[in-house]
Amino acid sequence: GAGVSQTPSNKVTEKGKYVELRCDPISGHTALYWYRQSLGQGPEFLIYFQGTGAADDSGLPNDRFFAVRPEGSVSTLKIQRTERGDSAVYLCASSLRGETFYEQYFGPGTRLTVT
Amino acid sequence: AQKVTQAQTEISVVEKEDVTLDCVYETRDTTYYLFWYKQPPSGELVFLIRRNSFDEQNEISGRYSWNFQKSTSSFNFTITASQVVDSAVYFCALSEASGGGFQKLVFGTGTRLLVSP
Repeated sequence: GAGVSQTPSNKVTEKGKYVELRCDPISGHTALYWYRQSLGQGPEFLIYFQGTGAADDSGLPNDRFFAVRPEGSVSTLKIQRTERGDSAVYLCASSLRGETFYEQYFGPGTRLTVT
Repeated sequence: AQKVTQAQTEISVVEKEDVTLDCVYETRDTTYYLFWYKQPPSGELVFLIRRNSFDEQNEISGRYSWNFQKSTSSFNFTITASQVVDSAVYFCALSEASGGGFQKLVFGTGTRLLVSP
């Protein structure tokens, strides 16, 4: 079946602009995660959705970052007033929800470059 | 706070050599999970293995094997008879065991493995 998809694959924007990054999880997966991976680093957790609600947004770096998942499927990560330090690969992952662990399936990422 | 350390930034081997990737973790939780992911040049993270803190049995899957030692807080990964297709960045990750299936992964900085023919 189809995996996690993310669009666009690459995004170049100017400092100060607004960007939206989209994630389409695997069908039926209720849990959705956003991570950010800077060059030479491991992914860092940003936010977790269970259904439509953000259950944990403790990883969002500041209030310029916001994410939504209005219908419990597709999610959009929004970044306002972008800064050069926001340049990174933004990864989305989804999983089933349950009382025990379910594997997180990652998408290919969106590479964001802020000039 | 949870932390994962992968001290090896890059390892280069020749095909058919065995190679071990080190992972050391820190956590105050008594129940936690450890993972290894592979990130090939395409960029997509591929899940390799999950271990919970109560299961210290070593695991073997084909050419891959994992050694979990709670006493030294290590979860090392060995590839036997490496192949060029094994070239990738490998990440070790840690997660606390929380209810409801929520697993916030804390990743190490990764080890880049280069396997040459």
